[in-house]
Amino acid sequence: GNSVTQMEGPVTLSEEAFLTINCTYTATGYPSLFWYVQYPGEGLQLLLKATKADDKGSNKGFEATYRKETTSFHLEKGSVQVSDSAVYFCALLNAGGTSYGKLTFGQGTILTVHP
Amino acid sequence: DGGITQSPKYLFRKEGQNVTLSCEQNLNHDAMYWYRQDPGQGLRLIYYSQIVNDFQKGDIAEGYSVSREKKESFPLTVTSAQKNPTAFYLCASTEQNAQYFGPGTRLTVL
Repeated sequence: GNSVTQMEGPVTLSEEAFLTINCTYTATGYPSLFWYVQYPGEGLQLLLKATKADDKGSNKGFEATYRKETTSFHLEKGSVQVSDSAVYFCALLNAGGTSYGKLTFGQGTILTVHP
Repeated sequence: DGGITQSPKYLFRKEGQNVTLSCEQNLNHDAMYWYRQDPGQGLRLIYYSQIVNDFQKGDIAEGYSVSREKKESFPLTVTSAQKNPTAFYLCASTEQNAQYFGPGTRLTVL
C-alpha cells in the first residue's frame, strides 16, 4: 500500500535560517506529491505540488522536487520567517484504481521559528 | 468567493448523541472527502464521495455515516457508535488531482 514518512519533529529554527523537512514515500505507479500547511486551529492549505518525476513545486519561497529515484519530496525554504510557524504535511495521491483521489498523509512536522 | 465551508467551528456533544457536521462547497467539484485529525497525528480518511448519490468507506468509517444528495453538500454524522469521537474533522474536495480543505470543525464529547 501507499505510505508517507516525514522527518520527525518538532523543528525549531531562528528567523532567516534554512529549512529542510524530509519526506519519503512508498507507492505503486506514479503518484502526485503535495505539501500542505496547517496553522493553529485551521484547516490544511495546499502549499505546493508536483505531478511527475523531476517536477519542482514552489510557492511563497518554499520548494520541493519530485525525486523518483530516491522516492523523496523534501520541502525547503532558504530563509524562514516567524509567520512560517505551522504544521507541515507531506502527502501523495494515486489517481488510479479503487483509491481514486485518496490522499495518503505523513504524520506532520511542527515548525517553530523564533525571532 | 469560491471555497469550502464547514459549520459549526466548535461543537459539543453529550455521550450517546448523534451529531451532524456540515460541509458545503461552491467550487463545482465532483469528489468530496471527510478526514479526522487527532492531536499530533496526520489525517485519516473517514468517507469519500466521487459523485452525487455515491460514497465509499475510508480507513476509519466505523461509527460514522454520510450522504451525498447534492453536489455541493457532503454532511457527516458522528453516531453514538463512534467510541472516541472527540477530534478535529476536516472536509475536502478535489480538482485536478489536488485536494482543497475547509476550515474544520472541532468536536468535543462531554
